[in-house]
Amino acid sequence: DGGITQSPKYLFRKEGQNVTLSCEQNLNHDAMYWYRQDPGQGLRLIYYSQIVNDFQKGDIAEGYSVSREKKESFPLTVTSAQKNPTAFYLCASRSSRVNYGYTFGSGTRLTVV
Amino acid sequence: AQKITQTQPGMFVQEKEAVTLDCTYDTSDPSYGLFWYKQPSSGEMIFLIYQGSYDQQNATEGRYSLNFQKARKSANLVISASQLGDSAMYFCAMRDYGTSYGKLTFGQGTILTVHP
Repeated sequence: DGGITQSPKYLFRKEGQNVTLSCEQNLNHDAMYWYRQDPGQGLRLIYYSQIVNDFQKGDIAEGYSVSREKKESFPLTVTSAQKNPTAFYLCASRSSRVNYGYTFGSGTRLTVV
Repeated sequence: AQKITQTQPGMFVQEKEAVTLDCTYDTSDPSYGLFWYKQPSSGEMIFLIYQGSYDQQNATEGRYSLNFQKARKSANLVISASQLGDSAMYFCAMRDYGTSYGKLTFGQGTILTVHP
């Protein structure tokens, strides 16, 4: 079955370290998104990519970086410049065929230790 | 700018009863879509229902219906015959079709607890 795989499910980061969250999809979707979720808040857009080799900043891109070298993959790096990285991170992709065709991964919970 | 407001941080309902989760939105784009997602404690986002701004009828999907009042800019989710498995966080979200990149803007969510 097609879907989005995020790994790892849980990630612990020491202060000052960069960490990379994986997001892979086999849905053949062009558009992919990274969202951050904090307790008691909704999801906020970090980065998005509409096509391979292209990506744009979302609402809260500071301290994050992404790449889109393959259609299937959209990894997110949380850099040491991100002052408060502890959060739940969700990756999503979007079908261009249906208006409601968003698929979400199961998320990565990042904790700074 | 797009904005979604969910004013109910938490809601309680008795099993088998109906419950309404509120959502109001703000956008200047005449073409938009409204979504409801369910997020259980495991964290995945489960799509429930969609309403386009030009859809004439309110959307329904099984026990879920969307009470779309365009003039009031509200898109409330109605869950009929609540089940214990409905206990979760519920998010209202919106996409403006005037922007091409498909960003979803989310509300802050409502935690629904279904009592036996």
